[in-house]
Amino acid sequence: ETGVTQSPTHLIKTRGQQVTLRCSSQSGHNTVSWYQQALGQGPQFIFQYYREEENGRGNFPPRFSGLQFPNYSSELNVNALELDDSALYLCASSLVSGGSDEQYFGPGTRLTVT
Amino acid sequence: SQKIEQNSEALNIQEGKTATLTCNYTNYSPAYLQWYRQDPGRGPVFLLLIRENEKEKRKERLKVTFDTTLKQSLFHITASQPADSATYLCALDTGRRALTFGSGTRLQVQP
Repeated sequence: ETGVTQSPTHLIKTRGQQVTLRCSSQSGHNTVSWYQQALGQGPQFIFQYYREEENGRGNFPPRFSGLQFPNYSSELNVNALELDDSALYLCASSLVSGGSDEQYFGPGTRLTVT
Repeated sequence: SQKIEQNSEALNIQEGKTATLTCNYTNYSPAYLQWYRQDPGRGPVFLLLIRENEKEKRKERLKVTFDTTLKQSLFHITASQPADSATYLCALDTGRRALTFGSGTRLQVQP
């Protein structure tokens, strides 16, 4: 078990609605990344926050946005939900070092868009 | 185009044997490569990291190799156990800290 928690566990939304997913990082970690994982696929990078600033973004439209707070908790917001947004959303925290950073993943939030 | 390929078919092996999983990539120059384990309904769990200038890394029953010429990493689990059954993901880090994952290979270890 990592020290990363996510809420809610499951969520059902209707197309066009907005959703906010939450993540609490492992203690001492200063970086959080969000990933989308469709069924049978690997996680796909959405964006990363380092010390409350966006530090990199994957190939996702602007309706995917995020925030990182001073206590290193984080939010992922998705506007104008589409059916294809149905997926497992994972957050991962890490401590930025000089090399590659091992990511500590939370259990994920399963989002279903109907 | 950039691609990371892992065996999409499940790998079935007998308990006690060595499982070997493959990760091939094209049009990437990763500085690091990571392997994760994912159980159903759970987030991935970090296993091993290998740098581009390292050929091999070991941790207990796990071994990873990284061949930047072949653009391939092999992940080995020796003396496999039913508890090793899971999906194994390789992930490339091109030095920008964002991980690019393959789609994973499901390993099933039969008792």
